[in-house]
Amino acid sequence: QQQVRQSPQSLTVWEGETAILNCSYEDSTFDYFPWYRLFPGESPALLIAIRPVSNKKEDGRFTIFFNKREKKLSLHITDSQPGDSATYFCAASADNNNRIFFGDGTQLVVKP
Amino acid sequence: NSKVIQTPRYLVKGQGQKAKMRCIPEKGHPVVFWYQQNKNNEFKFLINFQNQEVLQQIDMTEKRFSAECPSNSPCSLEIQSSEAGDSALYLCASSQTGGETLYFGSGTRLTVL
Repeated sequence: QQQVRQSPQSLTVWEGETAILNCSYEDSTFDYFPWYRLFPGESPALLIAIRPVSNKKEDGRFTIFFNKREKKLSLHITDSQPGDSATYFCAASADNNNRIFFGDGTQLVVKP
Repeated sequence: NSKVIQTPRYLVKGQGQKAKMRCIPEKGHPVVFWYQQNKNNEFKFLINFQNQEVLQQIDMTEKRFSAECPSNSPCSLEIQSSEAGDSALYLCASSQTGGETLYFGSGTRLTVL
């Protein structure tokens, strides 16, 4: 059973729009939710992360909204730029488990 | 910037050959992960270590894959008998604790002809 699911698989927005990337998870014991960004030809790097003590985490144009009851979260990228075009991975882990589960990624294209 | 070092960057093998890749985790990171990334950018967990001990590994790893993280030496992932389906990008990542932020290396791209 896949622990972390992402949607949509691919997303195209125009420059300046808000891109919304969705993520859901299965295990209610997960307590750390990082988002990684993958540019073509590079390795994934941490973008932003949230813990369930908060329902929102903001870093510049990137905001995570977290709904613990529904086991869902979303990444909002406001004022999207062509340079934001990349694949975004949602991940989840629990403190008592040395595993991080990744979703299959959302490929974002921002058109100028 | 990540200081996880993976070698070689590219690896080409024939079917049935051994394929070995190495990883030096970031200094001070006792937890090391290996992932396989396919052409669709999907991550597949293979195995992870804490110091020299295997924490978890998937069935695929148990059959044809072997991995180790000896003290004072690079970690390694070896495919005993490569198959065409093993062609992928193999990413090594390290972290201070297994459930926290991962720092990825640049990967080893394996092509099995």
